Amino acid sequence: DAKTTQPPSMDCAEGRAANLPCNHSTISGNEYVYWYRQIHSQGPQYIIHGLKNNETNEMASLIITEDRKSSTLILPHATLRDTAVYYCIVSAVHNAGNMLTFGGGTRLMVKP
Amino acid sequence: NAGVTQTPKFQVLKTGQSMTLQCAQDMNHNSMYWYRQDPGMGLRLIYYSASEGTTDKGEVPNGYNVSRLNKREFSLRLESAAPSQTSVYFCASKLTGSTEAFFGQGTRLTVV
Repeated sequence: DAKTTQPPSMDCAEGRAANLPCNHSTISGNEYVYWYRQIHSQGPQYIIHGLKNNETNEMASLIITEDRKSSTLILPHATLRDTAVYYCIVSAVHNAGNMLTFGGGTRLMVKP
Repeated sequence: NAGVTQTPKFQVLKTGQSMTLQCAQDMNHNSMYWYRQDPGMGLRLIYYSASEGTTDKGEVPNGYNVSRLNKREFSLRLESAAPSQTSVYFCASKLTGSTEAFFGQGTRLTVV
């Protein structure tokens, strides 16, 4: 699986959009971009995934550059409960052998 | 819907003791996984099971054994615990071909 690079930490004001970047310059054509988050050392929680098109769900939006070498997770209106470690993961097809490989992630602190 | 349930939540072992961490899921998922997370680090895959009756090594399998007891249950055994195995252990499951993995709340293990 391709490696990812994320900033170790970021701050965001409550109510503002949080934009979390991820570089994955070695991503292969069949690899998806996944985002998970981990709150207070709980089990990680799935947020969103995408292949090449931008994606949006009730939690967040995922913007993938045209060359697919980087992506941005957007939390449109961050709340204090969004304070967590956010992991960007790239992985090939969704089979059991290609399980998710977690890096260090970005620690997002949402401040009042 | 309980999701992924891990027991126990906390455990302290002495060096050399053995124990089994239990994991059960009620979502009829065929794939299950064990990860460990050391302080300030991302999750690392220990073992996984693509389906009932099969298990495979992940990134850090040494010192561990696993059993896929049935479709619901996947246990992790430490035969002779070492201080280096002090960590938080997470179990996860997913349906093969799906994009979302579900994680348990973790077992916090300390080996003294």
